[in-house]
Amino acid sequence: QKEVEQDPGPLSVPEGAIVSLNCTYSNSAFQYFMWYRQYSRKGPELLMYTYSSGNKEDGRFTAQVDKSSKYISLFIRDSQPSDSATYLCAIKGGGGNKLTFGTGTQLKVEL
Amino acid sequence: KAGVTQTPRYLIKTRGQQVTLSCSPISGHRSVSWYQQTPGQGLQFLFEYFSETQRNKGNFPGRFSGRQFSNSRSEMNVSTLELGDSALYLCASSPSRSSYEQYFGPGTRLTVT
Repeated sequence: QKEVEQDPGPLSVPEGAIVSLNCTYSNSAFQYFMWYRQYSRKGPELLMYTYSSGNKEDGRFTAQVDKSSKYISLFIRDSQPSDSATYLCAIKGGGGNKLTFGTGTQLKVEL
Repeated sequence: KAGVTQTPRYLIKTRGQQVTLSCSPISGHRSVSWYQQTPGQGLQFLFEYFSETQRNKGNFPGRFSGRQFSNSRSEMNVSTLELGDSALYLCASSPSRSSYEQYFGPGTRLTVT
């Protein structure tokens, strides 16, 4: 079993839809939870981070963590074609900067 | 502020050769981590360097190595290349070892033939 599981998609939604992206993890030692966005042929771009259970909002994006269930989510409101990308959850635990990534969910927002 | 830069962007090598990839972190960032990204395995952690010392290592064979210089720039080396080493190699920089912030470069696309 992988430490971080993420549905690879692809996920296709119409413009304006609310998108829900999810990951589950198995290691309780994980402390920081991040979401990255990766466009084709680019490096991952840090979208959001959180370190506690609950919600964190930034514009159209909301990151949610439930440590009791070991479940993290990213919601995108009013999705736009420019949101079409691969979304990766990443988790950091213990000391140092090692990130454990989910496999990524490929999202396409269609006009 | 300039982002993370990686050189070269694309590389084609033959099996058995070795390759060196370079990463320049964001100015002021002292931690550099390397990742391998493949369609089958996704993003996998290779190693982390901080203050010129390897601090953490992923589950890769000894053919993969790296180093960090006093100006925080880092290089990674892969010796005796195998076809399975074809991947996007990403470098990430962070201000410290305890920061949540990790910023990735554009990657080096390595193709082994």
